[in-house]
Parts: sequence; structure tokens; C-alpha cells
Amino acid sequence: DTEVTQTPKHLVMGMTNKKSLKCEQHMGHRAMYWYKQKAKKPPELMFVYSYEKLSINESVPSRFSPECPNSSLLNLHLHALQPEDSALYLCASSHEGFGETQYFGPGTRLLVL
Amino acid sequence: AQSVTQLDSQVPVFEEAPVELRCNYSSSVSVYLFWYVQYPNQGLQLLLKYLSGSTLVKGINGFEAEFNKSQTSFHLRKPSVHISDTAEYFCAVSEGSTTDKLIFGTGTRLQVFP
Repeated sequence: DTEVTQTPKHLVMGMTNKKSLKCEQHMGHRAMYWYKQKAKKPPELMFVYSYEKLSINESVPSRFSPECPNSSLLNLHLHALQPEDSALYLCASSHEGFGETQYFGPGTRLLVL
Repeated sequence: AQSVTQLDSQVPVFEEAPVELRCNYSSSVSVYLFWYVQYPNQGLQLLLKYLSGSTLVKGINGFEAEFNKSQTSFHLRKPSVHISDTAEYFCAVSEGSTTDKLIFGTGTRLQVFP
């Protein structure tokens, strides 16, 4: 099984809402990632978890709050987002180590009104 | 600091023609290089990667890339493209000795016409 699943596929939320994005993998990977991708742009790294601990935070605003409850799950909690946060949010996972392949989910397309 | 340049934002090509997508990187240390493909409304999928060894790397779907250290390039090639190869292609680099962060290029849109 080389699949990373993400839910929901689409999400529309207002600026005062609280929502969560979910990501799951069963490949035994111990590194998990959140990326943000704007239209016609490359993915931008937001967070990296290694062995369920946050190892990289790319200076992401606090209205994005990641959580890794166990080795298979990764959440991204959203609160008080801005319209400019509308984007495709991609989750990825990989084995720990340099040069490892990252496996990406299909993404959650988020629209903030 | 490492960076990746994809010189061509769009590459139009006819079906069954060969194609080359260019990628140049900038890094002062040894690097790992990747090509990912993103089909419409999907996540990214690894095409191939270079870690060490042979400079010619073969990937999925008939793609290959050649690592050229002197020219700091990692161009992607396919001898005969298909309509289904229409997608966005991203070159990426990670500095193998310091971090496993991927730095992506700006992407090349390959459009294959019948």
C-alpha cells in the first residue's frame, strides 16, 4: 500500500470557522509533511513531523496548527484563516533519512471566504 | 543556499515527439535530485531521483534524467511522449547532508498535442 489519503477533498470555510484537515498513511513512514500549493506554483513546505514530533516549522502563522496523534495520522487544524490561505494543502510521508521518496496525497482544496 | 531553476514554464509538444524539460540547481554541497509529476487535481508522484552512482537515471513511464555535476543540471527526457503525459513537472533538490527538506522548482507545464 503506497497510498496517502487526505480528507476532505474540498473544504469551504469562513474566516471565523474552525476546521481540520486529515492525512493518513499505512506505509510505516515516520516522517510526515504538510505543504501548501497555490495555483500554478510549486508546493511550499509548512511543517515536518519526525517520529511524531514537530521537527520543522517554516514560520507558518499560528492560525495553522499541526498535530501528529500517532505514526499514521497527521492533522492540520485551521482557525481564523484569511482568504489568501485558499490553496491546495498536500500531505506527504516518507521513511526517515536523506534522499527518501516522499509520497503525496491528493490534497485538500481549501477555499476561505 | 540551495535553489532550483526550471527555465521553461511551458513546453508544448506533439504526440510521439521527444521532449526535454530543463532543470538547473544551485548548491554548495552534494545534493539529491528529484523529478515529480502532478496530474490535474492530483498530488505529486515521483518520476525518478538521483542519489549517487550512475548519472543516467531511469524512471517510470519511460522518463529518464541525466545528472551533470559540472553544469549543475538534471534535465528530464522522454523519447516519445503520449497525450497522457500532459501534466506539471517539478524538479526538486535536497541537500543530503544537512536536511531532507525538498526545494521545488517553479514547475514546467508539459502540454502534449495530438
